Amino acid sequence: GAVVSQHPSWVICKSGTSVKIECRSLDFQATTMFWYRQFPKQSLMLMATSNEGSKATYEQGVEKDKFLINHASLTLSTLTVTSAHPEDSSFYICSARGDSQTEAFFGQGTRLTVV
Amino acid sequence: GIQVEQSPPDLILQEGANSTLRCNFSDSVNNLQWFHQNPWGQLINLFYIPSGTKQNGRLSATTVATERYSLLYISSSQTTDSGVYFCAVGRGNLIFGKGTKLSVKP
Repeated sequence: GAVVSQHPSWVICKSGTSVKIECRSLDFQATTMFWYRQFPKQSLMLMATSNEGSKATYEQGVEKDKFLINHASLTLSTLTVTSAHPEDSSFYICSARGDSQTEAFFGQGTRLTVV
Repeated sequence: GIQVEQSPPDLILQEGANSTLRCNFSDSVNNLQWFHQNPWGQLINLFYIPSGTKQNGRLSATTVATERYSLLYISSSQTTDSGVYFCAVGRGNLIFGKGTKLSVKP
């Protein structure tokens, strides 16, 4: 299957700082990318959907000014958590899909800890 | 939006036993995927199965799209099968169920 790489795998940041997470499709062009968040012992919750070159569509309850998503190329999307707080600590996972695909491929996830 | 229900929420098996996990969904979809989440959080893609039946080793899955459910079969379970199994469905984005936590005892 297609490969999606997410970086970093884990990150610790201080409260009030911003952190950027990258999601890359390595062997296909990802016209659509998705960002999910998972709290301990819970399921994955969709945060936003982004199409290359367009503004992201955020799910209800997700603050677009706090979680900045950029999908400027067909192989890269970034999620920036701005002014992070301890309650933003979570596991963030991206997925990507090509134009002719319905199957989605997932990155390895990023564990964010805000101290 | 689409609702996804997985059952059972928890399952404890003795090594060697077989099991069936179920995923019900509330609307028509063109994508259904089964995942195993390992202890490090990584989602292992088991099946892409919007309809029909597929098999991969000891695992198989069946989706009956007209009746809006999918089944994941695990045969001769091993301790390494332990973890959380997620079903995710959708027509564009994927909506995840709450998962089935499987524990296989030696």
